[in-house]
This record gives sequence, C-alpha cells and structure tokens, in this order.
Amino acid sequence: QQPVQSPQAVILREGEDAVINCSSSKALYSVHWYRQKHGEAPVFLMILLKGGEQKGHDKISASFNEKKQQSSLYLTASQLSYSGTYFCGTVVYGGATNKLIFGTGTLLAVQP
Amino acid sequence: DTAVSQTPKYLVTQMGNDKSIKCEQNLGHDTMYWYKQDSKKFLKIMFSYNNKELIINETVPNRFSPKSPDKAHLNLHINSLELGDSAVYFCASSHTGRGETQYFGPGTRLLVL
Repeated sequence: QQPVQSPQAVILREGEDAVINCSSSKALYSVHWYRQKHGEAPVFLMILLKGGEQKGHDKISASFNEKKQQSSLYLTASQLSYSGTYFCGTVVYGGATNKLIFGTGTLLAVQP
Repeated sequence: DTAVSQTPKYLVTQMGNDKSIKCEQNLGHDTMYWYKQDSKKFLKIMFSYNNKELIINETVPNRFSPKSPDKAHLNLHINSLELGDSAVYFCASSHTGRGETQYFGPGTRLLVL
C-alpha cells in the first residue's frame, strides 16, 4: 500500500536538475509532496489533485498522472537548500476518515 | 509563534519504563495525528483524532495510548517501552482530516536503552 519512490537517493551539483517519481498500486485521487531536511520535520511542498495538472513552487514543480497512478517531482536548477528527503503521500479515502500514506522517500543531496 | 509544538524534543529512557509525549497546535485545526519515523526514515501513521474523537487507529501495540483532552492537544503515552520503540515521533495537524495539507511538529526523538 505504501507508494514506491525512485530513485532512493540522488546526488546533484548545484544548478543540475532532478526528477523524483512516486508510484502507487492503488488508484490515486490526490498526491502530496513533502520535504524533510536532516533533523527537522517534514514540510509541505504541494498537493496535486486528480486532473493531471502540474503545480509549481519556485523552481520545483510536479505532475500527476492518475491513469498511471504516478506522480513526479521536478527540481530545476537545484540549490543547496533543496537537500533533504522528499516524500510523496497518497490519500486513502475511508468514509469519514482519510489517511495520508507516505512513500518510501528519496534522499537528495545537492553539492556545491 | 510555533504552529505545532511537541515536548520533549529528546527522550532517553530504559526498557520497561512508561513515558509520555505532548503535542499542541495553535492553528485552529480539527484533526491531529501521531506518526512514527523509524531508522529507515519511513513515516507511518499511528493515530488520528478529529475534534477529540479517535478516527484512525493503525495496527499499533496496545502499549501506545493516545489521548486528546481538546482539539488543540494530542498526547501519546507509551507503557513498558521496548527497544523497537526507538524512533522519532511526529505530531501533525490538518484542518479537517479529509486529505489536506498536514503541518508537522518538530518531532520527539525517543531512544530506549
């Protein structure tokens, strides 16, 4: 049930681009993306709703393909501040209660 | 102003002890959560409360008991601590609990010796 992310880890130089993928075995209605810096709490980046729209947040954007049950996070011209672990989260709807199931995580390290 | 706060930040204790972690949010949210993040960084939901009512209770040992005295507070009490309970425990909150953005507290790093 846990979404699978790829790659597990990626090392970049400042200014390089990266793509992080998130795949689910279940139908997706929405996808969350969070970033967690070392020793800190996860911080919300964006939500993508059903409809395939692409959202942006500074130089970080994401797409959502509900047919393929996948989402991708695009980091453009990476900065040192982008380093951290990125998690996708998929919402499991259960009547009155909805659960956010986090993916396996992708560790991103940006080097000078 | 801290949105979601947790105490303590660090907790080091012996096996068999009982300990509590407290969480408070000042965002006016109706829903609060407890997550466990293990050494592999997997973030797993444990419990969720909506307006003081328990709505999500994942497969968690009975030694873990959450309590919500009001919708701004959610505590986690752990009895008879085991080595495997060592992890970072995050509290989070969201507006209604229907799949919207969640705001996380700074985490409590629990080490059981």
